[in-house]
Amino acid sequence: EAGVTQSPTHLIKTRGQQATLRCSPISGHTSVYWYQQALGLGLQFLLWYDEGEERNRGNFPPRFSGRQFPNYSSELNVNALELEDSALYLCASSSRTSGFTGELFFGEGSRLTVL
Amino acid sequence: LAKTTQPISMDSYEGQEVNITCSHNNIATNDYITWYQQFPSQGPRFIIQGYKTKVTNEVASLFIPADRKSSTLSLPRVSLSDTAVYYCLVVNYGSARQLTFGSGTQLTVLP
Repeated sequence: EAGVTQSPTHLIKTRGQQATLRCSPISGHTSVYWYQQALGLGLQFLLWYDEGEERNRGNFPPRFSGRQFPNYSSELNVNALELEDSALYLCASSSRTSGFTGELFFGEGSRLTVL
Repeated sequence: LAKTTQPISMDSYEGQEVNITCSHNNIATNDYITWYQQFPSQGPRFIIQGYKTKVTNEVASLFIPADRKSSTLSLPRVSLSDTAVYYCLVVNYGSARQLTFGSGTQLTVLP
């Protein structure tokens, strides 16, 4: 069974540009989560989508946004990129049960570098 | 949300048993202790979860005393491939969607 897949693996942008990151959850999982992990920092919760709706967001500015598609895949958009947005962006998915108990399944991440 | 405290780093040698202790003094009745493992440039991986006493799976054991104010992750006979960051999380069922990861413990297994 395929795990959570993310694309692109690496992305280089310049300040002010927009970045789009994509995530495909494990088959059967309806929830998708986005986390940011900046170098030397812990994982910070960004967004949670379930059944196509945004259910919760972390303490990030509105230029971080996303959506979940009918097939449960998701994309994260970061507008007006700033240097401090450089980080590993991790997507995770869960079933209804595993999400309830905190068992999330993470992808390998997309490394965004802002120059 | 209960705050967790764990050592920043630990070193061990191959074949040894490693115990990583996490304190969570403000743990609530509905909270579960959960551990994740993260290798460099990869997403975290769920290892084990427990409420009280002892839980064991094919990867690790989790020991939780009666007062639940701390927990110990035990990795038997570690190998070089166990070098990773280990995160202790307190998860509240129902509001578990927003996991709070602390700094974790960097475990380095030496040959």
